[in-house]
Amino acid sequence: SAVISQKPSRDICQRGTSLTIQCQVDSQVTMMFWYRQQPGQSLTLIATANQGSEATYESGFVIDKFPISRPNLTFSTLTVSNMSPEDSSIYLCSVGQGINYGYTFGSGTRLTVV
Amino acid sequence: AQSVSQHNHHVILSEAASLELGCNYSYGGTVNLFWYVQYPGQHLQLLLKYFSGDPLVKGIKGFEAEFIKSKFSFNLRKPSVQWSDTAEYFCAVNAGSSNTGKLIFGQGTTLQVKP
Repeated sequence: SAVISQKPSRDICQRGTSLTIQCQVDSQVTMMFWYRQQPGQSLTLIATANQGSEATYESGFVIDKFPISRPNLTFSTLTVSNMSPEDSSIYLCSVGQGINYGYTFGSGTRLTVV
Repeated sequence: AQSVSQHNHHVILSEAASLELGCNYSYGGTVNLFWYVQYPGQHLQLLLKYFSGDPLVKGIKGFEAEFIKSKFSFNLRKPSVQWSDTAEYFCAVNAGSSNTGKLIFGQGTTLQVKP
């Protein structure tokens, strides 16, 4: 299955600032996703990162707050903009590889906003 | 809308006890089903998955799950748990016919195994 490298692994940020998270995959993948895991909770899908076009956002998530780029089939970024303490979460990148491998997740970015 | 429900939020067992974690989903069409585990301080790992065929699926570390279509369930089982199974367990569903690719996760179950 694919190997995902996600950076940074953790960060502490001031409110009002922005953080860009990178997701690098060691092989070309069709499907890439960004999830959020708030403290003590399950994973919630933020958006599907589409190569060469705008991301598809889930209800409750908007492009202005979570802009996503996907310039090619192995790389994507998620930006958390104008951060507030409520954005403190783990953000995870995931790729879908079909029946044989299912979905693989990155190690996540633990974000704390102070 | 699709949803996934895990009934047990926090389970405490002694070593060697049997485990069954419930998972129900709401979707009437073709589904792909997954169980993931998250050990303390680590990232999500796939335990097992069901796409088609034999509804009894065997995964890693002695875990298995049974897909019962009539009950919309995909319960996770292990005959004898170990202290090292202490972790968070997540059930997830992908609606195969719509093929959006996205996973919908249940709330998660925290398993604590006492030595």
